Amino acid sequence: AQSVTQLDSQVPVFEEAPVELRCNYSSSVSVYLFWYVQYPNQGLQLLLKYLSGSTLVKGINGFEAEFNKSQTSFHLRKPSVHISDTAEYFCAVRRKTSYDKVIFGPGTSLSVIP
Amino acid sequence: KAGVTQTPRYLIKTRGQQVTLSCSPISGHRSVSWYQQTPGQGLQFLFEYFSETQRNKGNFPGRFSGRQFSNSRSEMNVSTLELGDSALYLCASSSGDLSSGNTIYFGEGSWLTVV
Repeated sequence: AQSVTQLDSQVPVFEEAPVELRCNYSSSVSVYLFWYVQYPNQGLQLLLKYLSGSTLVKGINGFEAEFNKSQTSFHLRKPSVHISDTAEYFCAVRRKTSYDKVIFGPGTSLSVIP
Repeated sequence: KAGVTQTPRYLIKTRGQQVTLSCSPISGHRSVSWYQQTPGQGLQFLFEYFSETQRNKGNFPGRFSGRQFSNSRSEMNVSTLELGDSALYLCASSSGDLSSGNTIYFGEGSWLTVV
């Protein structure tokens, strides 16, 4: 069975500073990887996804993530955060060869401090 | 292209009542899945429907049920509501196609409060 770990439940960061949100997964088979963002009182919005190919994936709002197969990680990064990036971020996995459900991590709350 | 639409957005129900939530997927998407989100439990998978058939099911009691119609619209029903059912219920749709990563796209959610 797959599982997703987001080690940091809360990450405070000053505006214009860089940020990295960590995601590790476990799976016995190849997976697709996703990052979603949830702004207050809204649904989840897809930030980026890794399906195959280049391990560095660029998403919306200046975010990017790097897939590291040996470390089973998919960390999310942004070089300079803005107040509007304050939100909950979820990492998710789905098996490539199955119609299994998407497994979500517990989420990381990013707070950008002015 | 219109996104996933959920109705109603907010509702308040009394313990013991039942509730039906509706979801219209993105046009062309044949898979609809439902999630319950609460502060304590995070995002929990309820079930997924594909072409009117339940394809996956989470660990929820039988009071939670769903269905999908031929136009891919979906409804979920919760009977005999309990206080603990208060949550944000999220619907997500996808093409159901593995080769595209079967990416799911979420609606804004339905906020259910049980009093």
